[in-house]
Amino acid sequence: GAVVSQHPSWVICKSGTSVKIECRSLDFQATTMFWYRQFPKQSLMLMATSNEGSKATYEQGVEKDKFLINHASLTLSTLTVTSAHPEDSSFYICSARIQNIQYFGAGTRLSVL
Amino acid sequence: DAKTTQPPSMDCAEGRAANLPCNHSTISGNEYVYWYRQIHSQGPQYIIHGLKNNETNEMASLIITEDRKSSTLILPHATLRDTAVYYCIVRVASGGGTSYGKLTFGQGTILTVHP
Repeated sequence: GAVVSQHPSWVICKSGTSVKIECRSLDFQATTMFWYRQFPKQSLMLMATSNEGSKATYEQGVEKDKFLINHASLTLSTLTVTSAHPEDSSFYICSARIQNIQYFGAGTRLSVL
Repeated sequence: DAKTTQPPSMDCAEGRAANLPCNHSTISGNEYVYWYRQIHSQGPQYIIHGLKNNETNEMASLIITEDRKSSTLILPHATLRDTAVYYCIVRVASGGGTSYGKLTFGQGTILTVHP
């Protein structure tokens, strides 16, 4: 299947700092990418849909000013968690779609101290 | 997208077939059935998908009932590495609208493969 690369895989930061997570489609172009968040022992929750060249579409309850999404090219989408706080600690996962199949990255575990 | 119902957990002996059921009684005519799995602390892995015909690939088989209200994912020879959470998702696979492209994850089935 297609490969989606996510970086970093693990990050620890201090409260109040910003963290950027990158999601790349390695062997295909993706006009649409998706960002999910998963808390321990819970299922994945869709945060936003990232569209190349346009603004992201956020799910209800997700703060767009806190979770900044940029999809500047057909192979790269970034999620920036601004002014991170301990409650933002979670597992963030991106995915990209090709031919009606979504492929997922390995995820980024964010720990905010 | 239609909601799915899966058993919370299942066990399977290594080497035996694992049959994971999924109910999707409110599925619409243009919704596909997708199966993903998530091994601990990793991103979900695509397994298989189908509309109404049975499907098979190198990982698994997907059996969809004639009325499309339920399906079964079959792992023919389960191994210890198949221990994971398995998600059954129904989704509009094409066309426009706000539902296109979104995968909505439920709680899934925790499959534990025993030696």
